[in-house]
Amino acid sequence: ETGVTQSPTHLIKTRGQQVTLRCSSQSGHNTVSWYQQALGQGPQFIFQYYREEENGRGNFPPRFSGLQFPNYSSELNVNALELDDSALYLCASSPDTYGYTFGSGTRLTVV
Amino acid sequence: DQQVKQNSPSLSVQEGRISILNCDYTNSMFDYFLWYKKYPAEGPTFLISISSIKDKNEDGRFTVFLNKSAKHLSLHIVPSQPGDSAVYFCPHPTRSNDYKLSFGAGTTVTVRA
Repeated sequence: ETGVTQSPTHLIKTRGQQVTLRCSSQSGHNTVSWYQQALGQGPQFIFQYYREEENGRGNFPPRFSGLQFPNYSSELNVNALELDDSALYLCASSPDTYGYTFGSGTRLTVV
Repeated sequence: DQQVKQNSPSLSVQEGRISILNCDYTNSMFDYFLWYKKYPAEGPTFLISISSIKDKNEDGRFTVFLNKSAKHLSLHIVPSQPGDSAVYFCPHPTRSNDYKLSFGAGTTVTVRA
């Protein structure tokens, strides 16, 4: 399978709820990263996983968590949603080089 | 963390003319520099890169220039085409040999027909 697929494409949640976003990476891409892009800003690094272990984290609170699975899929979980969590969430994978492939993102709206 | 600054939030250029995008960074301890392009409702796509040991890299209509002494990176698009209308980012790794990318705010390019 080629490309990076994210689901769902759009999502509306209520403040205080929990959400799980999913990403399916290319086979052989052992590194997966998640980014948050707020309106009018560049993507901000949330965290990165390498071979199912978190190996880096940006300036995001612990209610942002993730998982990476052996089948090259991954999840981003956000607990206790806040209005400021409304953003485009991007998943990016890499075969251990800098050639990241990004998915089209999940647009999350918190109301 | 490293800082990337794209001081021009937008650029409008006539089709067929040159587009010049600029990027300034605060730390030169990287092996490479990147340019990504992003269309609305899509994720960023890799455009072109340059090794820190070079000062120029060319790929078709796209040329990236690196001035390490000035800590300045630029992207030239010649000739500009309507399909080049997008947001351009110059992310770089936050540490050498690290794959996490630090993005600036981006430059929105609009190519006028």
